[in-house]
Amino acid sequence: AAGVIQSPRHLIKEKRETATLKCYPIPRHDTVYWYQQGPGQDPQFLISFYEKMQSDKGSIPDRFSAQQFSDYHSELNMSSLELGDSALYFCASSLKRGPYNEQFFGPGTRLTVL
Amino acid sequence: KQEVTQIPAALSVPEGENLVLNCSFTDSAIYNLQWFRQDPGKGLTSLLLIQSSQREQTSGRLNASLDKSSGRSTLYIAASQPGDSATYLCAVSYDKVIFGPGTSLSVIP
Repeated sequence: AAGVIQSPRHLIKEKRETATLKCYPIPRHDTVYWYQQGPGQDPQFLISFYEKMQSDKGSIPDRFSAQQFSDYHSELNMSSLELGDSALYFCASSLKRGPYNEQFFGPGTRLTVL
Repeated sequence: KQEVTQIPAALSVPEGENLVLNCSFTDSAIYNLQWFRQDPGKGLTSLLLIQSSQREQTSGRLNASLDKSSGRSTLYIAASQPGDSATYLCAVSYDKVIFGPGTSLSVIP
């Protein structure tokens, strides 16, 4: 069965650079979520989109933005990168109209800011 | 406020022992609860998912229970093996998933 795809899997950037992370949800899933997991921490919710509209917002910095496109894939754009942005970024997808709203997680993108 | 806690934070057991990991959540209006395993620096491996209407799920040596009314879930691991050493995360699904801080498990050969 198709799973959530994230690209790239690893990314190295310098401070003050920008980065774009991509997420391709499971086919027919209409909702995408982004999570950030810093070193030694549990994943924290950043933002979610349902049917291409932002549906919920968590602890996402103003330097970050995200969107969901017509094909339901999502991109997380990160600007003015800081050392503290180094983390594992997970994307998850779900079928919100489904009865249980089960979220399926991708393998994550490891971002290292030098 | 929706919060998820896990105890213990760390656990070390000899190989072959049975063990229980605990998860508590403050808001019982959940869609489901999921247990994940995470190896150092790696992604999330889904172990078991319990829907809000279910009481338990089993997969091999793993058994997870859910008591929504008391806001608790347990993950039971039977006959532990060194390969079970990892961090175990409890994740409670509302409109977003809230993760617990995890339990770091070490199984000593």
